[in-house]
Amino acid sequence: DAGITQSPRYKITETGRQVTLMCHQTWSHSYMFWYRQDLGHGLRLIYYSAAADITDKGEVPDGYVVSRSKTENFPLTLESATRSQTSVYFCASRISYAGNEQFFGPGTRLTVL
Amino acid sequence: GQQLNQSPQSMFIQEGEDVSMNCTSSSIFNTWLWYKQDPGEGPVLLIALYKAGELTSNGRLTAQFGITRKDSFLNISASIPSDVGIYFCAGPPRGGGSEKLVFGKGTKLTVNP
Repeated sequence: DAGITQSPRYKITETGRQVTLMCHQTWSHSYMFWYRQDLGHGLRLIYYSAAADITDKGEVPDGYVVSRSKTENFPLTLESATRSQTSVYFCASRISYAGNEQFFGPGTRLTVL
Repeated sequence: GQQLNQSPQSMFIQEGEDVSMNCTSSSIFNTWLWYKQDPGEGPVLLIALYKAGELTSNGRLTAQFGITRKDSFLNISASIPSDVGIYFCAGPPRGGGSEKLVFGKGTKLTVNP
């Protein structure tokens, strides 16, 4: 039972490069989320998705693009990476009909040089 | 937007001691969630609270939903070294839709053996 997985776990890239972070869940949860975690800011929502082909902006969406063609996958793309996007990125999911609990993946640590 | 204030920001305790931390808001929350994050990992849900005054336990952990709906408390009894980590409170912001959560900035717990 894999639950929710993220890949890669670690990534180093250069300013201006495109980077895609992958998120996959095996629970068939309707909702999926992308957060970034930075010292002093805690967890901040980047984008979320209520179902396949339905996405919406969170608190800090600028510089990021998401898609959700399949329920189980929710990739996050940095179209032109900047140093300010150096962070730890977490994907999460939740069931649509039961409470507010979100379940998190292990995270991707991204460094932009 | 709505914010959750956690205190203390950090705690240094001896193994075997009891721990108490809290989360407050200027706004009413209808749900309180408590997560723990181990170093290098994603947050893991510990306890979910849905009713004012509710007291819920999970092993050595006990959490309470404040009567005013503006606060919640987490207690850990007889701490052990594996309790080390960051504890976050979270809840759905009013008017923001129940699909999203706002997070506190966490309480970092260190347990000395």
